[in-house]
Amino acid sequence: QKEVEQDPGPLSVPEGAIVSLNCTYSNSAFQYFMWYRQYSRKGPELLMYTYSSGNKEDGRFTAQVDKSSKYISLFIRDSQPSDSATYLCAMIIIQGAQKLVFGQGTRLTINP
Amino acid sequence: ETGVTQTPRHLVMGMTNKKSLKCEQHLGHNAMYWYKQSAKKPLELMFVYNFKEQTENNSVPSRFSPECPNSSHLFLHLHTLQPEDSALYLCASSQDRLTNYGYTFGSGTRLTVV
Repeated sequence: QKEVEQDPGPLSVPEGAIVSLNCTYSNSAFQYFMWYRQYSRKGPELLMYTYSSGNKEDGRFTAQVDKSSKYISLFIRDSQPSDSATYLCAMIIIQGAQKLVFGQGTRLTINP
Repeated sequence: ETGVTQTPRHLVMGMTNKKSLKCEQHLGHNAMYWYKQSAKKPLELMFVYNFKEQTENNSVPSRFSPECPNSSHLFLHLHTLQPEDSALYLCASSQDRLTNYGYTFGSGTRLTVV
């Protein structure tokens, strides 16, 4: 079983739609949760960071963590064509040094 | 220049060639990483350096040889690669190996082995 599972998509939605991206994980020791956005021909950039269960909002983006279910989500409201990218979930476990584990990434396309 | 810079952006090499990838960070970070990104796979951690010392090698074949002369620079030396080594190679940095925050990535080198 993979430590972090993420549906690779691709996911295609019309402009203005609400997008939901999800990851599940198997190790309850993961403590910190992130979403990275990766545009084509670019490296991943940190989009959202959270360390507790609940919701964190930043503009049109909301990160949600449910530690009891080992499930994290990223919601994008009023999606724009510029949101088209690959979204990678990532999480950190501290075992001596920190270990950062990525999901496979979901490729998202927002159609005008 | 700020952030993490990788050169070259694209590289095509034959299986008998020797080449090097370069990474430079201007963030004052002390940990640097090499990742391999292949299609439909999660990012694969290859090597970790913390304060210039290699702390992790995740069973990477010896045809990949990292070098970290100082905390700002990281190299990946390549020799006798295989076609399956074609991928996007990403460099990243973080404050150190104890930080609970994420990493800053470069734009990557797209490597094609022919």
